[in-house]
Amino acid sequence: GAGVSQSPSNKVTEKGKDVELRCDPISGHTALYWYRQSLGQGLEFLIYFQGNSAPDKSGLPSDRFSAERTGGSVSTLTIQRTQQEDSAVYLCASSPRRSGRGTDTQYFGPGTRLTVL
Amino acid sequence: AQKITQTQPGMFVQEKEAVTLDCTYDTSDPSYGLFWYKQPSSGEMIFLIYQGSYDQQNATEGRYSLNFQKARKSANLVISASQLGDSAMYFCAMREADNNNDMRFGAGTRLTVKP
Repeated sequence: GAGVSQSPSNKVTEKGKDVELRCDPISGHTALYWYRQSLGQGLEFLIYFQGNSAPDKSGLPSDRFSAERTGGSVSTLTIQRTQQEDSAVYLCASSPRRSGRGTDTQYFGPGTRLTVL
Repeated sequence: AQKITQTQPGMFVQEKEAVTLDCTYDTSDPSYGLFWYKQPSSGEMIFLIYQGSYDQQNATEGRYSLNFQKARKSANLVISASQLGDSAMYFCAMREADNNNDMRFGAGTRLTVKP
């Protein structure tokens, strides 16, 4: 079946502009995650959605970052007034269910490479 | 505090040989999951293998196996019979049951398979 898809694959923007990044999770997956990966670095957790529950926004680096998930499916990560330090690959992942034993495997999309000039 | 530690920024292995990528973790939660992901130069993250903290046996998936030493809090990835296509970044990750939102990743190890 189809995997996690993200768009655009690449985004170049000017400092101060707003950007929207889109994620389409695997159909039926209730959990959705956003991560940021700076060049040569590991992944930094940003935000988590689970079903209709309030999202966990604890990883968002500033109030310029926000995300929403409509209808429990597609998610949009918005970065307002972009800064050069926002340049990174933004990865989205989904998982099928939430297990109390921490066992859920996440399936990642190909990422969006954001470059802020 | 660093939850996941990968001490090898880069590793080289000869094609067809086995290689071990190190991962240690830190948690006080008795229930957790450990994951390994591969990230080729194209950028996508590919799930490789999972080990649960209560699993009695080491996980295996094809040429991948996880050397899980719970007392030492290590979860090393072993790749047998390396192939050129195994060249990539490899990330170890952990999710604690009490903190199910947050998957912590290590800094990664870049594996290069030499012909």
